Amino acid sequence: QVQLVQSGAEVKKPGSSVKVSCKASGGTFSSYAINWVRQAPGQGLEWMGGIIPIFGTANYAQKFQGRVSITADESTSTAYMELGSLRSEDAAVYYCAREGGVTGIFDYWGQGTLVTVSS
Amino acid sequence: QSVLTQPPSVSGAPGQRVTISCTGSNSNIGTDYDVHWYQQLPGAAPKLLIYINNIRPSGVPDRFSGSKSGTSASLAITGLQAEDEADYYCQSYDSSLSAYVFGTGTKVTVL
Repeated sequence: QVQLVQSGAEVKKPGSSVKVSCKASGGTFSSYAINWVRQAPGQGLEWMGGIIPIFGTANYAQKFQGRVSITADESTSTAYMELGSLRSEDAAVYYCAREGGVTGIFDYWGQGTLVTVSS
Repeated sequence: QSVLTQPPSVSGAPGQRVTISCTGSNSNIGTDYDVHWYQQLPGAAPKLLIYINNIRPSGVPDRFSGSKSGTSASLAITGLQAEDEADYYCQSYDSSLSAYVFGTGTKVTVL
């Protein structure tokens, strides 16, 4: 059974960066894309970007271009999402999600990581 | 601003049938990109409910069904149960944005 376990909650100051990890187990890590989706309090889901570890190249939603970096470490089956220049609007729960065998299907999700942005 | 529009809420009594619409455009659903649906229980991560328009993953009750036509898709829940009270999101791909997009989300309330 595939499991995605994310790092713990973070409190960050405006202007700083946050890096969230997502460790996969129970499946073939390298061949499946890992995507990042965020959810602001009381709001809907928003796709940020994703990476296929075996290729190593990430693609990002235009909204986050230049501010987000998604990477993957095949040796530890861990994906990372780093978001910089944090502002109050970035306060959200950040989820990683595995993209299954067919493109665009997010079949397994992490438990979510709460990021608070406060001075 | 999501490009897939859903009704904010729907409600029904136990045992009833409810439907949730997901309206897109010619750059996403209308371009034949598949639609997937997720259920998000309170305080939990989303869970895949329907994929490729109308396929249920193993373990999802057959009370849930999906369909797609033109630039819209729908999720139907028949025999509504208290445990179905959750937020539901549709998801597809948008070629204009070159991005995966989610619907605005629908809260289902069981009366």
